[in-house]
This record gives sequence, C-alpha cells and structure tokens, in this order.
Amino acid sequence: DIQMTQSPSTLSASVGDRVTITCRASESISNRLAWYQQKPGKAPKLLIYMASSLESGVPSRFSGSGSGTEFTLTVSSLQPEDFATYYCQQYKSYSVTFGGGTKVETK
Amino acid sequence: EVQLLESGGDLAQPGESLRLSCVASGFAFGTYAMSWVRQAPGKGLEWLSAISGDTTGIYYADSVKGRFTISRDNSKDTLYLQMNSLRADDTAIYYCVKYKGNPPFFDVWGQGTMVTVSS
Repeated sequence: DIQMTQSPSTLSASVGDRVTITCRASESISNRLAWYQQKPGKAPKLLIYMASSLESGVPSRFSGSGSGTEFTLTVSSLQPEDFATYYCQQYKSYSVTFGGGTKVETK
Repeated sequence: EVQLLESGGDLAQPGESLRLSCVASGFAFGTYAMSWVRQAPGKGLEWLSAISGDTTGIYYADSVKGRFTISRDNSKDTLYLQMNSLRADDTAIYYCVKYKGNPPFFDVWGQGTMVTVSS
C-alpha cells in the first residue's frame, strides 16, 4: 500500500497568514493527489484534485502543487473559516490512502 | 444538487452484523464508482471499499476483507455495506463517497452514519 505522510500534524496560525502543508507519498503517484478540508462534525470537502486543480466553488486562496512523491497545499491568506483539518489523499488506484491530517488552529 | 444520504448506523455488540445504506440523488448513480470511508472518533480517514458503476470491479481494504461486503442496486440508486463479525475497532462514522474522474477521486461525501460496537 502507498503510505501518505503529512506534516505538520498541527499548525498554529493567524488570520491573514500564508499557510503551507506538505504531503509525501511512499512511491510516485504522478499527480494523483487530492486535498480535503474537514470541519468538526462535518464530512470532508474536496478542495484540490490532480495535485493542483481547484474544485469548483473553492476560493482561489487555496492552491496545490507537486508531483511524484512531494506535494503541498497552500492557503495564501488564512480566513476565519479556514481553521479546520486538512487531509491529502492519493488515488493511484481505487484503493486510496489518506495522510494523517493537519489541524490548522488559531495561534 | 448531488446528495448522498447514509443510514443504518447503530449500536451493535461484538460479533454482530449491520447493513449500511446510502441513497444517492442528483446524478446518474449507475455511471459512477462509489466507496465507503470511515473515521474512528478523533482519528483520520480510512478507505474501506469501492465498487464500480457496473459492479464488475470491487475492492477492499485488508482491514475489512472477508468481513465487509459492498454492493449496489442501481435501480434504487442505493449503495450498501454489509458488515459482519463487528469488532470494537469498527466503531466509527461511516461515509458514503462518490468517485469522479479517471483516475477517480472523491468529489462528494455523505454526512455519515455512526456505528458503535460495544458490549
């Protein structure tokens, strides 16, 4: 199975900060990577697919980059509604795997 | 609007069985692969199983292979997860998820249904 490692596991930030989350795959997954946002008590929400494609309706302050084994999710200017947990996911096949999550909390 | 509505979550004793259902609306259900993902309390996301639109492709995580069975009824726009021999570590919120694209990724999630396994 492909292992996905996210860092950091927790990130303290303030409104307006530029935030970057990293995800590493145990083998090359090309650009088959998605990012999800999950708020407490809610289902995850798709933000980014194919490593850098923004899902419809997602604010442009979210962006993704990377290919192969290393990927990043960047929030250019953190908004109050962005405090949440973020997960990366590889989808090289139907048998997907998720990173452990990054909780973005208020500094 | 695309919607997925899960049901069937309950309190079960170890060794018992439960069947989860997920009713889809707002899209051509039979043309999309579907999946189940769970999240234990305070933990991350775990993919469990997937089924292609025409049911020719079925996949399981090792953690549930042999105990859980995924199926679908395209005439009823419904996805199922039969869970047998339940264990305490199956306690989680179970999400029904729709795939999109090729290769497929998840684009729509249900609200989840809670399964608690405890004596």
